[in-house]
Amino acid sequence: QLQLQESGPGLVKPSETLSLTCAVSGGSISSSSHYWVWIRQPPGKGLEWIGSFYYTGTTYYNPSLKSRVTISADMSTNQFSLKLSSVTAADTAVYYCAQYQLLNRWFDPWGQGTLVTVSA
Amino acid sequence: EIVMTQSPLSLPVTPGEPASISCRSSQSLNSKGNNYLDWYLQKPGQSPQLLIYLGSNRASGVPDRFSGSGSGTDFTLKISRVEAKDVGVYYCMQALQTPYDFGQGTKLEIK
Repeated sequence: QLQLQESGPGLVKPSETLSLTCAVSGGSISSSSHYWVWIRQPPGKGLEWIGSFYYTGTTYYNPSLKSRVTISADMSTNQFSLKLSSVTAADTAVYYCAQYQLLNRWFDPWGQGTLVTVSA
Repeated sequence: EIVMTQSPLSLPVTPGEPASISCRSSQSLNSKGNNYLDWYLQKPGQSPQLLIYLGSNRASGVPDRFSGSGSGTDFTLKISRVEAKDVGVYYCMQALQTPYDFGQGTKLEIK
């Protein structure tokens, strides 16, 4: 059964770079049938898609974050990562990683999420 | 960007009664016969989980009390008989094109 697990610092200072990793088990991020995505949810608010990564290196980013976001992957460790630069308090959120199935276009499964707080 | 609008935003329901959530998109989500609209449920303290994909297909393990319908720009999620374990926030999401956009969420609570 596919499982995803986010990890990374829970506290980041303003203007610095947020870095998270998603470890995938029970499946391969080299799959041609899936993208690997990051989604975030500010406390008490809704969901925002951040971006997607395909094993060929193709990426898609939300235009609202595009200038600050990089999603990459390490095939040898079956992990993919999120970097968000120049963070502000508005970037405080629970960050989820998830698998995106190309055929039916769904996000499933999701990781448990990790809270990142931006504060000095 | 496609704007997704859900209603109502709050939905108190008596157990055993039906419930319905509407989701409208700012442009058609139909492409080549498929409606690229998903429904997710985020139970309290949990990650979102897939309920419905391609507008009307139940995800694996989802009870048949849940059904999705609609086409183009108007979609509906129906729960035939609400149970206490159905509480949470329901989101629709357009999967037609990036950026993928979610609705604001509908909070279902038990009366």
